[in-house]
Amino acid sequence: EPEVTQTPSHQVTQMGQEVILRCVPISNHLYFYWYRQILGQKVEFLVSFYNNEISEKSEIFDDQFSVERPDGSNFTLKIRSTKLEDSAMYFCASSKTSGSGETQYFGPGTRLLVL
Amino acid sequence: QKEVEQDPGPLSVPEGAIVSLNCTYSNSAFQYFMWYRQYSRKGPELLMYTYSSGNKEDGRFTAQVDKSSKYISLFIRDSQPSDSATYLCAIIYNQGGKLIFGQGTELSVKP
Repeated sequence: EPEVTQTPSHQVTQMGQEVILRCVPISNHLYFYWYRQILGQKVEFLVSFYNNEISEKSEIFDDQFSVERPDGSNFTLKIRSTKLEDSAMYFCASSKTSGSGETQYFGPGTRLLVL
Repeated sequence: QKEVEQDPGPLSVPEGAIVSLNCTYSNSAFQYFMWYRQYSRKGPELLMYTYSSGNKEDGRFTAQVDKSSKYISLFIRDSQPSDSATYLCAIIYNQGGKLIFGQGTELSVKP
C-alpha cells in the first residue's frame, strides 16, 4: 500500500540553525500539507500546497518557514532560524484532491528538537 | 471559543467494553467530520469520516454527528487491546482541505 514517508525521523538542532524536513508524498497525490504537534498539544495545520504554490497557511507559518517541491517526488519544509518553540513533531500529509471528505494520508512524522 | 474541543482523557476500559469518544465544535458551517487514530510515535491514520448529521458504521466502529448540538461521537464496540491509541476528531474547514483537530483522547484497553 502506498504511504507517505518522511526523513529524518529525528532531528536535533541548535537554536538559530536552519533545518529542512523532507517528505515523499504518495505518487499520484496533488495536494500536500504540513502539520505540527507540540508535545501534549493538538495537531495544528501549518500550510497546504498545490500546483507549486501555497494554497493556505496558518498564523504559525511565518517568514521563518518555507515549503518547496524541488522535484517530482519530494516536498520539503524549511525553518530558516529555529527557535526553542519550534520543537515539535512535524507531519507531512498528501491527498488526491482538496475536496471536503478527501482522505489525507499522514507520514510518520519528524521529531524536531531545538536546543 | 475553541473550534474543536475534545476531552483528552486518558480513558481506560477493560477488553470488550463499549467506548464512547466525543467532540464538540463551534462553527455550524463545518460539514465533514473525521476520526483519526494515532499510535504512539506514528502519524494520524484516518478511521472514518461522516458528512452532515447521522450515523456511519464500519465494523466495530460507529461515527455519529449531531449538527443541531454540534456534537460528534465515535463508538467502539467490543474494544480490543489493539484499539489502545489516541483518537483524534477532526473537521475539514472549507474546500481548502485544512484539517482542524481536537486535542485527542488517549484510550487504553486492558486485557
